[in-house]
Amino acid sequence: QSALTQPPSASGSPGQSVTISCTGTSSDVGGYEYVSWYQQHPGKAPKLKIYEVTKRLSGVPDRFSGSKSGNTASLTVSGLQADDEADYYCSSYAGSNTYVFGTGTKVTVL
Amino acid sequence: EVQLVESGGGLVQPGGSLRLSCAASGFTLSNYWMHWVRQAPGKGLVWVSRIDRDATSTSYADSVRGRFTISRDSAKNTLYLQMNSLRDEDMAVYFCARDLVTNVLDVWGQGTMVTVSS
Repeated sequence: QSALTQPPSASGSPGQSVTISCTGTSSDVGGYEYVSWYQQHPGKAPKLKIYEVTKRLSGVPDRFSGSKSGNTASLTVSGLQADDEADYYCSSYAGSNTYVFGTGTKVTVL
Repeated sequence: EVQLVESGGGLVQPGGSLRLSCAASGFTLSNYWMHWVRQAPGKGLVWVSRIDRDATSTSYADSVRGRFTISRDSAKNTLYLQMNSLRDEDMAVYFCARDLVTNVLDVWGQGTMVTVSS
C-alpha cells in the first residue's frame, strides 16, 4: 500500500492550464478504472472533482478533466482561477477492497 | 442536507484507545460503503478503512489492521472507528466519507483531530 506518486507542486498564471500526474502500479492505477481526484483547501475537507478516471462530479466545471495512460493518471485544470489554488490528491482502488491516495500536489495560481 | 459530522477525537496516551463517531444526516448510512481517511498535520491523505453496505465486509490499511475496527449502527445512522493500541504515528485528523460506488467519495465530514502524546 505505497502512496501514489504526485509532483509536490505545480503552478500557472490565471487563465493558463496545469496538469498533475499520479503514478502508481499495475496493482492500482494501471489495473482499474477507479481513479479519483480531490481538491483540498487549507483546513477544509477534501472535495471530489473527478471519478472513474474521466467523469466529473455533478457541478464540477469542465475546466477539470482527467485521463489515464498505463500506470499514470493525470488531472488537468484549464482556465486557472484564484480559487483553484489548493492541494490536489489522486486516489485509486488497489484491489482486495483497499484504496490508496497520492502524495498530493500543491497548485499555486501565480 | 446531506451531511457527515465526526466526533470523539482528543488527546490520548500511546497505547491508549479512542472511539470516533461519524453521524450521518440527509441520507441512510447503510445504503452506502463508508470510509475513514486520515491526514497527519501537514501531510497527505491516507486511506484507513472501509465498511460495505451490509456491514458484512470490512477492510483496513496495513498500518492499522488488527488495531482499528470499523463498524456501523444503522438505528443511529452512525459510523464508528474503534482505535486501540494507539501510536504516535496515528496522530491525525480523521475524516469519514461516503462512497457512491467504488472509490467515489462524494461526501466528507469536517474531520476530528486525534492527538497521541504522553
